[in-house]
Amino acid sequence: NAGVMQNPRHLVRRRGQEARLRCSPMKGHSHVYWYRQLPEEGLKFMVYLQKENIIDESGMPKERFSAEFPKEGPSILRIQQVVRGDSAAYFCASSPPGQATYNEQFFGPGTRLTVL
Amino acid sequence: GQQVMQIPQYQHVQEGEDFTTYCNSSTTLSNIQWYKQRPGGHPVFLIQLVKSGEVKKQKRLTFQFGEAKKNSSLHITATQTTDVGTYFCAGPAYSGAGSYQLTFGKGTKLSVIP
Repeated sequence: NAGVMQNPRHLVRRRGQEARLRCSPMKGHSHVYWYRQLPEEGLKFMVYLQKENIIDESGMPKERFSAEFPKEGPSILRIQQVVRGDSAAYFCASSPPGQATYNEQFFGPGTRLTVL
Repeated sequence: GQQVMQIPQYQHVQEGEDFTTYCNSSTTLSNIQWYKQRPGGHPVFLIQLVKSGEVKKQKRLTFQFGEAKKNSSLHITATQTTDVGTYFCAGPAYSGAGSYQLTFGKGTKLSVIP
């Protein structure tokens, strides 16, 4: 049973370009979360999705950031017109169906985004 | 909003010494989770505590949840070099948008000197 998969593992973009980060949850998991981690910092919640639905995007900047989890295919976190401050590690996590606050989360290996 | 604080931020120990990290929440938690992140790696779930005063052990690791469910600790006995990494606690907090989301502490980074 494969774990949570994320790609790419490393992504370099120039200021103003778009970054697309992909996440495939573990098989059977219906909850997907995206987090951002700055160096020497904890993880900051960005968005929580279920299939075809954004449940909670309160941690995501309102401009330039968007997320989706389509019926088919991976979840995608999209950052438009990237700026240097977007450089960070972005982790996706998934959890099984059920009460989300009591479920452990399984993290993917992350995408390290560097904006030049 | 809810804050989850961890101390210390860094800890250097000699191999074989014990290590403890403390986690404090500004609000009562329904549960608390602990994760470990190796250098360059991703967070890996260690344990969840739910009951007031709960104590759980995993080999050399002992986890406690306070009576008031606002604090927690992780204690490692006789550290080994394989224990190196950052240990995070996380508790659910109301996001303000209709759901509870995990709020992570900043973590305690453990270095073990062989």
